[in-house]
Amino acid sequence: NAGVTQTPKFQVLKTGQSMTLQCAQDMNHEYMSWYRQDPGMGLRLIHYSVGAGITDQGEVPNGYNVSRSTTEDFPLRLLSAAPSQTSVYFCASSILAGGGYEQYFGPGTRLTVT
Amino acid sequence: GQQVMQIPQYQHVQEGEDFTTYCNSSTTLSNIQWYKQRPGGHPVFLIQLVKSGEVKKQKRLTFQFGEAKKNSSLHITATQTTDVGTYFCAGRNSGYSTLTFGKGTMLLVSP
Repeated sequence: NAGVTQTPKFQVLKTGQSMTLQCAQDMNHEYMSWYRQDPGMGLRLIHYSVGAGITDQGEVPNGYNVSRSTTEDFPLRLLSAAPSQTSVYFCASSILAGGGYEQYFGPGTRLTVT
Repeated sequence: GQQVMQIPQYQHVQEGEDFTTYCNSSTTLSNIQWYKQRPGGHPVFLIQLVKSGEVKKQKRLTFQFGEAKKNSSLHITATQTTDVGTYFCAGRNSGYSTLTFGKGTMLLVSP
């Protein structure tokens, strides 16, 4: 199993551009999430999905869209990039284990918006 | 909303010294998870605690969940340079709610 994969690893955008960060998992996990990580801020939840066709907002959803057409894929779309969206983005997928979900993270996408 | 506070933010120890990071939630948690992130890497799941007062050990790492299920700690005995990284706690209000992460404790170990 490849686990959770993310593409691209690095990306530089100009303000106003749009792009999609890709995330895929091959573990048949129902639960998938997108986080952003900024220095000193920890991990903040952007959007999540409990299964194909179901998505919901997290703590910091503004400026981002998601969709979940298949169990495997959970892309994150930046509609009009802003410098405040410069961050490291992590996708995670989860199984239900021991009363909660233990999450498996992808390697991350490092995004710079100029 | 739920808040998860983690202290200290940063700790620098000599190899062989012990290390502890503490996690406190503003609300009662159904479970708490711990993750480790190496510099430049991604968070890696370490453990999940579910029961009040639970204590789990992984080699030199000891994890505790408070009796009131509002706090947790991670203790590393005799640190090694391989322990370098940032340790995050993350709590859930219920089994199906989202995780709220603490801001992490960065551990630096000098040989």
